[in-house]
Amino acid sequence: DAKTTQPPSMDCAEGRAANLPCNHSTISGNEYVYWYRQIHSQGPQYIIHGLKNNETNEMASLIITEDRKSSTLILPHATLRDTAVYYCIVRYRGGSQGNLIFGKGTKLSVKP
Amino acid sequence: DAGVIQSPRHEVTEMGQEVTLRCKPISGHDYLFWYRQTMMRGLELLIYFNNNVPIDDSGMPEDRFSAKMPNASFSTLKIQPSEPRDSAVYFCASSLASGPPEAFFGQGTRLTVV
Repeated sequence: DAKTTQPPSMDCAEGRAANLPCNHSTISGNEYVYWYRQIHSQGPQYIIHGLKNNETNEMASLIITEDRKSSTLILPHATLRDTAVYYCIVRYRGGSQGNLIFGKGTKLSVKP
Repeated sequence: DAGVIQSPRHEVTEMGQEVTLRCKPISGHDYLFWYRQTMMRGLELLIYFNNNVPIDDSGMPEDRFSAKMPNASFSTLKIQPSEPRDSAVYFCASSLASGPPEAFFGQGTRLTVV
């Protein structure tokens, strides 16, 4: 699997947008970008994924650069409950899914 | 569906004892993953199965660890004999090869070996 690089920690004010960056410069053409988060003591939770187009769902938006070497997860209006560790992962989808490998992630602290 | 169900939620055992962790994946899912999480090493993939067959067990730390998936609705992770350094939270996850792409995680089993 391609490696990802994320900042170890970030702060965000409640109600503001949280923008979490991820570098994945060695991503291959058929690998997707996935984002998960882990709230303290819970199992990781899927947020969103994408291949090359920007994606949006009820939780977040995912912006992938044209060269696919980096992406940004956007939480449009962060709340205190969004405080968690956010993981950016690249992996194949479908068929031989391969490993779902977690790095160290970004610890996001949303402050009042 | 109730999601991925793990049992027990907490386990305290003495060094040298056998420990068995259990996982019931989401019905119909064909991938099952076992992870271990510690402060030092983060989330580590131990082993994963596809259609009940182990595909990659390169993350299993040593021969004291074994995992089985006798059918599509049940998997076990066994540690024998257990050691204090095995203390961690163990997560099970399942996913579908086709359809929704996300892996669903259980609530984890917190293992303490004293």
